[in-house]
Amino acid sequence: KQEVTQIPAALSVPEGENLVLNCSFTDSAIYNLQWFRQDPGKGLTSLLLIQSSQREQTSGRLNASLDKSSGRSTLYIAASQPGDSATYLCAVLSSWGKLQFGAGTQVVVTP
Amino acid sequence: EAEVAQSPRYKITEKSQAVAFWCDPISGHATLYWYRQILGQGPELLVQFQDESVVDDSQLPKDRFSAERLKGVDSTLKIQPAELGDSAMYLCASSSYPGLAGPQETQYFGPGTRLLVL
Repeated sequence: KQEVTQIPAALSVPEGENLVLNCSFTDSAIYNLQWFRQDPGKGLTSLLLIQSSQREQTSGRLNASLDKSSGRSTLYIAASQPGDSATYLCAVLSSWGKLQFGAGTQVVVTP
Repeated sequence: EAEVAQSPRYKITEKSQAVAFWCDPISGHATLYWYRQILGQGPELLVQFQDESVVDDSQLPKDRFSAERLKGVDSTLKIQPAELGDSAMYLCASSSYPGLAGPQETQYFGPGTRLLVL
């Protein structure tokens, strides 16, 4: 059974610092890995999707890497801003239609 | 841009009452999912529909939860009777047929319904 773990559970950084969020999964047989953002009391917004054949994806200040063989992904957010404060969730697609989520990392960026 | 719609956004109910949530997926999406997200945890799948058929309800507490998608479009999730432990965010998501998009497959999430059981 696929297990997805996110470390740390919470993170607080001053504005301008780079953020590094980690995600690990136990079964490397995945189709893709996604990073989502969730604001308090809201739904999920997809940030980046990395296909299993890819090593990384970039969108603006966000960069996500994938090392399928070691079961790890890292989300980097450059030059953090207070608006980046949210919970970040990673999810793996290990069979069609089946997303398995981690518990998330709660990020606070202080001005 | 097309979105997944959910209502109500918030629901407060008393223990033992019945509650119902509604979801309207993105037009043309054959697959609809209901997730439950307890505070501090990631979403967990409750039920997955392919058109009007249930393809996975292994995590649905069937003694009190029911879900339907009668015409293969919108869907209703019901809890009867509600218990204190049901307090959570209920998220609906939709996608095209699983596997159709290949490794780019993703699900589109609605804003959720936050349930508080008193």
